[in-house]
Amino acid sequence: KAGVTQTPRYLIKTRGQQVTLSCSPISGHRSVSWYQQTPGQGLQFLFEYFSETQRNKGNFPGRFSGRQFSNSRSEMNVSTLELGDSALYLCASRPYSGELFFGEGSRLTVL
Amino acid sequence: GESVGLHLPTLSVQEGDNSIINCAYSNSASDYFIWYKQESGKGPQFIIDIRSNMDKRQGQRVTVLLNKTVKHLSLQIAATQPGDSAVYFCAENMVGRGSSNTGKLIFGQGTTLQVKP
Repeated sequence: KAGVTQTPRYLIKTRGQQVTLSCSPISGHRSVSWYQQTPGQGLQFLFEYFSETQRNKGNFPGRFSGRQFSNSRSEMNVSTLELGDSALYLCASRPYSGELFFGEGSRLTVL
Repeated sequence: GESVGLHLPTLSVQEGDNSIINCAYSNSASDYFIWYKQESGKGPQFIIDIRSNMDKRQGQRVTVLLNKTVKHLSLQIAATQPGDSAVYFCAENMVGRGSSNTGKLIFGQGTTLQVKP
Protein backbone atom coordinates (compact mmCIF):
# COMPACT_ATOMS: atom_id res chain seq x y z
CA LYS A 1 0.00 0.00 0.00
CA ALA A 2 1.46 3.35 -1.01
CA GLY A 3 2.06 5.87 1.77
CA VAL A 4 1.05 9.50 1.96
CA THR A 5 2.45 11.32 -1.06
CA GLN A 6 3.22 15.01 -1.02
CA THR A 7 4.21 17.18 -3.97
CA PRO A 8 6.33 19.05 -4.60
CA ARG A 9 9.02 17.91 -2.18
CA TYR A 10 11.00 21.13 -2.42
CA LEU A 11 10.14 24.57 -3.70
CA ILE A 12 11.46 28.09 -3.53
CA LYS A 13 9.23 31.16 -3.70
CA THR A 14 9.66 34.86 -3.14
CA ARG A 15 7.78 37.09 -0.74
CA GLY A 16 4.34 38.05 -1.93
CA GLN A 17 3.89 35.00 -4.12
CA GLN A 18 1.45 32.23 -3.39
CA VAL A 19 1.97 28.49 -3.26
CA THR A 20 -0.16 25.36 -3.53
CA LEU A 21 0.91 22.07 -1.98
CA SER A 22 -0.67 18.74 -2.74
CA CYS A 23 -1.27 15.64 -0.68
CA SER A 24 -2.49 12.21 -1.74
CA PRO A 25 -3.57 10.19 1.31
CA ILE A 26 -3.24 6.46 1.77
CA SER A 27 -5.91 4.66 -0.21
CA GLY A 28 -9.07 4.37 1.86
CA HIS A 29 -8.12 7.17 4.24
CA ARG A 30 -10.73 9.91 4.35
CA SER A 31 -9.16 12.27 6.87
CA VAL A 32 -6.27 14.54 5.93
CA SER A 33 -4.47 16.87 8.32
CA TRP A 34 -1.81 19.46 7.60
CA TYR A 35 1.02 20.56 9.87
CA GLN A 36 3.74 23.19 9.65
CA GLN A 37 7.16 22.30 11.06
CA THR A 38 9.79 24.95 11.82
CA PRO A 39 12.88 24.85 14.06
CA GLY A 40 11.47 27.58 16.27
CA GLN A 41 7.82 26.60 16.62
CA GLY A 42 8.05 22.86 16.08
CA LEU A 43 5.08 20.99 14.65
CA GLN A 44 1.92 23.06 14.53
CA PHE A 45 -1.51 21.97 13.37
CA LEU A 46 -2.94 23.85 10.40
CA PHE A 47 -6.24 22.12 9.57
CA GLU A 48 -7.99 18.80 9.14
CA TYR A 49 -10.38 17.75 6.40
CA PHE A 50 -12.79 14.85 6.32
CA SER A 51 -15.14 14.09 3.46
CA GLU A 52 -14.35 17.44 1.83
CA THR A 53 -15.24 19.38 4.99
CA GLN A 54 -12.87 21.22 7.27
CA ARG A 55 -13.22 19.54 10.64
CA ASN A 56 -10.61 21.41 12.67
CA LYS A 57 -8.54 24.51 12.22
CA GLY A 58 -5.37 25.71 13.92
CA ASN A 59 -4.31 29.23 14.80
CA PHE A 60 -2.93 30.39 11.50
CA PRO A 61 -3.87 33.55 9.55
CA GLY A 62 -6.37 33.46 6.74
CA ARG A 63 -3.53 33.38 4.21
CA PHE A 64 -3.39 29.65 4.92
CA SER A 65 -6.24 27.71 3.37
CA GLY A 66 -6.97 24.20 2.28
CA ARG A 67 -9.45 21.98 0.61
CA GLN A 68 -10.19 18.34 0.06
CA PHE A 69 -11.52 16.71 -3.06
CA SER A 70 -14.02 13.87 -3.42
CA ASN A 71 -11.17 11.38 -3.88
CA SER A 72 -9.76 12.53 -0.48
CA ARG A 73 -6.76 14.23 -2.07
CA SER A 74 -6.04 17.55 -0.40
CA GLU A 75 -4.34 20.80 -1.24
CA MET A 76 -3.22 23.66 0.92
CA ASN A 77 -2.56 27.15 -0.28
CA VAL A 78 -0.55 29.97 1.23
CA SER A 79 -1.07 33.40 -0.26
CA THR A 80 1.09 36.52 0.05
CA LEU A 81 4.07 34.53 1.26
CA GLU A 82 6.22 35.89 4.07
CA LEU A 83 9.75 34.91 5.05
CA GLY A 84 8.37 33.27 8.18
CA ASP A 85 6.33 30.84 6.08
CA SER A 86 9.53 28.97 5.24
CA ALA A 87 8.93 25.55 6.73
CA LEU A 88 8.36 21.88 6.17
CA TYR A 89 4.66 21.32 5.49
CA LEU A 90 3.51 17.87 6.48
CA CYS A 91 0.35 16.09 5.46
CA ALA A 92 -1.05 13.16 7.42
CA SER A 93 -3.94 10.83 6.70
CA ARG A 94 -6.02 8.27 8.57
CA PRO A 95 -9.19 6.28 7.88
CA TYR A 96 -11.50 8.16 10.27
CA SER A 97 -9.78 7.99 13.63
CA GLY A 98 -6.68 6.35 15.01
CA GLU A 99 -3.07 7.04 14.26
CA LEU A 100 -1.92 9.57 11.74
CA PHE A 101 0.32 8.48 8.89
CA PHE A 102 2.59 11.29 7.76
CA GLY A 103 4.07 12.01 4.38
CA GLU A 104 7.65 13.17 3.93
CA GLY A 105 6.61 16.79 3.58
CA SER A 106 7.02 19.69 1.21
CA ARG A 107 9.91 21.96 2.12
CA LEU A 108 9.08 25.56 1.27
CA THR A 109 11.73 28.26 1.21
CA VAL A 110 10.60 31.87 0.91
CA LEU A 111 13.22 34.36 -0.24
CA GLY B 1 4.00 20.95 24.86
CA GLU B 2 7.03 20.18 26.91
CA SER B 3 7.99 22.11 30.02
CA VAL B 4 11.47 23.53 30.28
CA GLY B 5 12.13 21.66 33.49
CA LEU B 6 11.56 18.21 32.07
CA HIS B 7 12.49 18.56 28.45
CA LEU B 8 15.97 17.61 27.31
CA PRO B 9 16.56 18.76 23.73
CA THR B 10 19.23 16.10 23.26
CA LEU B 11 19.78 12.70 24.84
CA SER B 12 22.96 10.76 24.16
CA VAL B 13 23.12 7.08 25.08
CA GLN B 14 25.42 4.14 24.48
CA GLU B 15 24.25 1.41 22.14
CA GLY B 16 22.60 -1.33 24.15
CA ASP B 17 21.59 0.95 27.02
CA ASN B 18 18.00 1.85 27.80
CA SER B 19 16.74 5.32 26.85
CA ILE B 20 14.12 7.37 28.62
CA ILE B 21 12.61 10.39 26.90
CA ASN B 22 10.36 12.65 28.93
CA CYS B 23 7.54 14.94 27.99
CA ALA B 24 5.19 17.19 29.94
CA TYR B 25 1.86 17.76 28.24
CA SER B 26 -0.08 20.94 28.51
CA ASN B 27 -3.79 20.21 28.47
CA SER B 28 -5.35 18.36 31.39
CA ALA B 29 -8.32 17.56 29.13
CA SER B 30 -6.13 15.60 26.71
CA ASP B 31 -6.95 11.93 26.84
CA TYR B 32 -4.94 10.38 24.05
CA PHE B 33 -1.16 10.55 23.75
CA ILE B 34 1.19 9.45 21.03
CA TRP B 35 4.92 9.17 20.52
CA TYR B 36 6.40 9.81 17.10
CA LYS B 37 9.87 9.26 15.71
CA GLN B 38 11.22 11.52 13.00
CA GLU B 39 14.34 10.66 11.08
CA SER B 40 16.21 13.23 9.06
CA GLY B 41 14.39 14.10 5.85
CA LYS B 42 11.31 12.09 6.73
CA GLY B 43 7.91 12.69 8.23
CA PRO B 44 7.03 11.63 11.79
CA GLN B 45 6.44 7.91 12.23
CA PHE B 46 4.03 6.49 14.82
CA ILE B 47 5.71 4.54 17.62
CA ILE B 48 3.13 3.91 20.32
CA ASP B 49 0.05 5.49 21.83
CA ILE B 50 -1.78 5.41 25.13
CA ARG B 51 -5.19 6.52 26.34
CA SER B 52 -5.73 8.33 29.59
CA ASN B 53 -7.45 5.34 31.19
CA MET B 54 -4.11 3.54 31.18
CA ASP B 55 -0.82 4.36 32.89
CA LYS B 56 1.44 2.02 30.98
CA ARG B 57 1.54 0.42 27.57
CA GLN B 58 4.21 -1.76 26.06
CA GLY B 59 5.22 -2.33 22.48
CA GLN B 60 8.18 -3.95 20.85
CA ARG B 61 11.20 -2.61 22.80
CA VAL B 62 9.20 0.49 23.77
CA THR B 63 7.11 1.35 26.79
CA VAL B 64 5.05 4.47 27.35
CA LEU B 65 4.25 5.64 30.86
CA LEU B 66 1.55 8.18 31.63
CA ASN B 67 1.25 10.11 34.89
CA LYS B 68 -1.88 12.20 34.72
CA THR B 69 -1.37 13.69 38.16
CA VAL B 70 1.67 15.64 37.01
CA LYS B 71 0.80 15.60 33.30
CA HIS B 72 3.91 13.68 32.40
CA LEU B 73 4.58 11.19 29.65
CA SER B 74 7.70 9.12 29.07
CA LEU B 75 8.98 6.82 26.38
CA GLN B 76 11.36 4.06 27.33
CA ILE B 77 13.38 2.33 24.62
CA ALA B 78 15.06 -0.90 25.64
CA ALA B 79 18.45 -1.92 24.27
CA THR B 80 18.82 1.22 22.19
CA GLN B 81 20.21 0.65 18.70
CA PRO B 82 21.87 3.03 16.20
CA GLY B 83 18.69 2.89 14.13
CA ASP B 84 16.85 4.51 17.03
CA SER B 85 18.76 7.76 16.44
CA ALA B 86 16.12 10.34 15.55
CA VAL B 87 14.00 13.14 16.98
CA TYR B 88 11.21 11.91 19.23
CA PHE B 89 8.01 13.88 19.72
CA CYS B 90 5.21 13.41 22.15
CA ALA B 91 1.78 14.56 21.04
CA GLU B 92 -1.52 15.00 22.84
CA ASN B 93 -5.04 14.79 21.52
CA MET B 94 -8.57 15.02 22.72
CA VAL B 95 -10.95 12.22 21.93
CA GLY B 96 -14.06 13.70 20.38
CA ARG B 97 -17.63 12.58 20.54
CA GLY B 98 -18.13 8.94 19.65
CA SER B 99 -14.69 8.10 21.09
CA SER B 100 -12.91 9.07 17.90
CA ASN B 101 -9.86 11.21 18.22
CA THR B 102 -9.33 14.13 15.90
CA GLY B 103 -6.46 14.83 13.54
CA LYS B 104 -5.49 17.83 15.64
CA LEU B 105 -2.43 16.91 17.65
CA ILE B 106 -0.45 19.19 19.92
CA PHE B 107 3.21 18.30 19.62
CA GLY B 108 6.01 18.80 22.08
CA GLN B 109 9.31 20.35 21.02
CA GLY B 110 11.06 17.04 20.46
CA THR B 111 14.11 15.30 21.88
CA THR B 112 17.02 14.29 19.68
CA LEU B 113 18.25 10.83 20.60
CA GLN B 114 21.88 10.14 19.70
CA VAL B 115 23.06 6.56 19.99
CA LYS B 116 26.80 6.09 20.35
CA PRO B 117 28.21 2.82 18.99
